[in-house]
Amino acid sequence: AQSVTQLDSHVSVSEGTPVLLRCNYSSSYSPSLFWYVQHPNKGLQLLLKYTSAATLVKGINGFEAEFKKSETSFHLTKPSAHMSDAAEYFCVVSDQLEQGAQKLVFGQGTRLTINP
Amino acid sequence: NAGVTQTPKFQVLKTGQSMTLQCAQDMNHEYMSWYRQDPGMGLRLIHYSVGAGITDQGEVPNGYNVSRSTTEDFPLRLLSAAPSQTSVYFCASFARGAFSPLHFGNGTRLTVT
Repeated sequence: AQSVTQLDSHVSVSEGTPVLLRCNYSSSYSPSLFWYVQHPNKGLQLLLKYTSAATLVKGINGFEAEFKKSETSFHLTKPSAHMSDAAEYFCVVSDQLEQGAQKLVFGQGTRLTINP
Repeated sequence: NAGVTQTPKFQVLKTGQSMTLQCAQDMNHEYMSWYRQDPGMGLRLIHYSVGAGITDQGEVPNGYNVSRSTTEDFPLRLLSAAPSQTSVYFCASFARGAFSPLHFGNGTRLTVT
């Protein structure tokens, strides 16, 4: 079974400084990896996904993530934080179910706070 | 394009009551699923469906029933509510394909007293 661990439950940064949200995964084969963002009282929205085409994945709103197989990591970064980035972020690994469906295994989430 | 629509947004139940959480999608997605979100635990899969008439259990199915009579709708039924089912429930749909992103509804916040 696949699993994912988000190493920080809460990250706090100042506006304009870099963001780093850490994620390690466990998988017996080449995984499909995603980052989702959840703003307060909203559903989850896809930020980016790793599909094995490139190890550096660019997503929406200036976020990117790098897949490192040797470290089993998929950390999310952004060069300069904006107040609107304050949200909960989930690292997700995809497991294949029967009949082609996906089962997404979610990390525990990292709450990102942006200080003015 | 409405995407995934969940109703109600909020619900309070007494222990032992039953209710149905509604979920509808207008993207003609084959796959639909229900998750519950609890603090510090991420999202956990309750039930999923790979098409009309086909459903299966996820990792936390006990106390919940689902059915999929149409492609668009995937209701979640609580047969006899318990305080342990207090949670935020998300419905999601996605198209066929290994890397297809999930489209989530805005959630239903359920409290069982």
